[in-house]
Amino acid sequence: NAGVTQTPKFRVLKTGQSMTLLCAQDMNHEYMYWYRQDPGMGLRLIHYSVGEGTTAKGEVPDGYNVSRLKKQNFLLGLESAAPSQTSVYFCASSPDRSEPYNEQFFGPGTRLTVL
Amino acid sequence: AQKITQTQPGMFVQEKEAVTLDCTYDTSDQSYGLFWYKQPSSGEMIFLIYQGSYDEQNATEGRYSLNFQKARKSANLVISASQLGDSAMYFCAMREIENTGNQFYFGTGTSLTVIP
Repeated sequence: NAGVTQTPKFRVLKTGQSMTLLCAQDMNHEYMYWYRQDPGMGLRLIHYSVGEGTTAKGEVPDGYNVSRLKKQNFLLGLESAAPSQTSVYFCASSPDRSEPYNEQFFGPGTRLTVL
Repeated sequence: AQKITQTQPGMFVQEKEAVTLDCTYDTSDQSYGLFWYKQPSSGEMIFLIYQGSYDEQNATEGRYSLNFQKARKSANLVISASQLGDSAMYFCAMREIENTGNQFYFGTGTSLTVIP
């Protein structure tokens, strides 16, 4: 099993460009999440999904959109990138909260720089 | 109010010594889970240990143990016999099972440096 994978691993954008980050998991998890990590601020939740076809806003959703058309994939889109979106982006998945071991499994991260 | 508070931005420990990383949490749920993750300089997030709110015994995983004090709402991570490879960022997290079980809440992390 690959666990959680993210594509791409690195990306440099110019202000105003758009891009999509892909997250895939092969653990049949219901829940998927997108976080951003900035120095000294820990992990901040951007959007999350509790199942195929569902999405919800997290703590810092502005400037991002997401889609979960298939259970195993969760896409994060930046329509018009800004330098403030320079960050490391982590995708994670977890089983339903009723499961006894319900921790999050993380992808390796995507380092995004917006010039 | 912060759901997870880690008050130690940075900690130092001598190799082979034990170290405690502090974590306090805030929830009104009776059922919740507490987690610790390690993030080395390579960047990946590594799950270390889990404690359920109804677990009567403190969780242990090898050299990691979780000092769970429910009444004080604290979930400190204890690393015994520190190794150089333990140098990393450590994040405490919580998942509320009852109310907002869809989300995980993370602290701002503690940077641990193990000194040879």
